[in-house]
Amino acid sequence: DAGITQSPRHKVTETGTPVTLRCHQTENHRYMYWYRQDPGHGLRLIHYSYGVKDTDKGEVSDGYSVSRSKTEDFLLTLESATSSQTSVYFCAIGESELVVYTFGSGTRLTVV
Amino acid sequence: SQQGEEDPQALSIQEGENATMNCSYKTSINNLQWYRQNSGRGLVHLILIRSNEREKHSGRLRVTLDTSKKSSSLLITASRAADTASYFCATDPGNTGKLIFGQGTTLQVKP
Repeated sequence: DAGITQSPRHKVTETGTPVTLRCHQTENHRYMYWYRQDPGHGLRLIHYSYGVKDTDKGEVSDGYSVSRSKTEDFLLTLESATSSQTSVYFCAIGESELVVYTFGSGTRLTVV
Repeated sequence: SQQGEEDPQALSIQEGENATMNCSYKTSINNLQWYRQNSGRGLVHLILIRSNEREKHSGRLRVTLDTSKKSSSLLITASRAADTASYFCATDPGNTGKLIFGQGTTLQVKP
């Protein structure tokens, strides 16, 4: 999707290892979000950011941390990956709190 | 907690037919949005309807909103095979900039 990229696109990791997913935007949008998508659960918000170094927890934040040191980058870290964190992770950006989101293409993470 | 719930969960129609998907939500909202997700891709915004609007059109899309019933519907007219995707409604119940998505309706349009 234009203006927002996620990396890596696919990752397989072992239980207990740390994993960092990256979301990079070129739109200079203030708001950034991390969601996970699982069958039967739809999209659930993990963490979000409303500015550099301003982040907050979402619905399913346990086991995840985030950092935003620059406007363009929002990192999601799984400190010690578990099999329950196998999912597709989506980053989204928003220009303001009342506007629509633009989504990245997703990262498929498998924890074995 | 699930704010928006779509109905039906899955829908299969022939090309040229109309497709209707419904979304119900629980708390007051300022607006409701619909997104589409093609297989293996991120979500794409389709349309936003504000709480003071009852109906909105965009090309072959028609969205209605009934705030008294806390429900919305998305109608795709003259469907095409390319409309095959999952469709999600989303709301921001607390006006906090955090969208809550329903579980989606999977639409299959057969050529």
